[in-house]
Amino acid sequence: DQQVKQNSPSLSVQEGRISILNCDYTNSMFDYFLWYKKYPAEGPTFLISISSIKDKNEDGRFTVFLNKSAKHLSLHIVPSQPGDSAVYFCAAIDGGSNYKLTFGKGTLLTVNP
Amino acid sequence: NAGVTQTPKFRILKIGQSMTLQCTQDMNHNYMYWYRQDPGMGLKLIYYSVGAGITDKGEVPNGYNVSRSTTEDFPLRLELAAPSQTSVYFCASTLRQRGGGDTQYFGPGTRLTVL
Repeated sequence: DQQVKQNSPSLSVQEGRISILNCDYTNSMFDYFLWYKKYPAEGPTFLISISSIKDKNEDGRFTVFLNKSAKHLSLHIVPSQPGDSAVYFCAAIDGGSNYKLTFGKGTLLTVNP
Repeated sequence: NAGVTQTPKFRILKIGQSMTLQCTQDMNHNYMYWYRQDPGMGLKLIYYSVGAGITDKGEVPNGYNVSRSTTEDFPLRLELAAPSQTSVYFCASTLRQRGGGDTQYFGPGTRLTVL
């Protein structure tokens, strides 16, 4: 029973264009969402987050959108750069669960020069 | 700050052997976590700790044990290694305090193979 789903295993975009990574969740108790980026042979690194009381959070080239009614969030990267090529994990926290992260399976983003 | 450090980086075990994966953080974080990542899968929580002396099971705790005697260290013990424990193991920590601190910081991982 996957509570956080990333249905696209991979995504390929051209440098300079927009990358949109999607994530769906099923647990209504999730109240905080995060995106992590992971390069091969490294640990995940935090990218951006959003609280369930907001519908958008922006940090430089990265914007996360949250649609609570649809239980859907997305990460937009504009403009995409070759260095953005990595696996992106969507994660969610149920604040009443000792802040344990529930991860999606990840999406491999490839940005082509 | 070194952040979250893990040792060893790689290890090959034979079935039935035991080992301890070490994790240390120097950020004075109160919460620490152990995850495993299998190929093509997301990270799954094995055990976590909300402070020294307090540990609890996550989603996939069978075959593992943990202890938290200090704030800094959170070792993960495999007692009888099995091929199903072949995975990449990540330790993470966060400073959980009222009103914020939800970002978890991850170590570089330990790649374990059980043959």
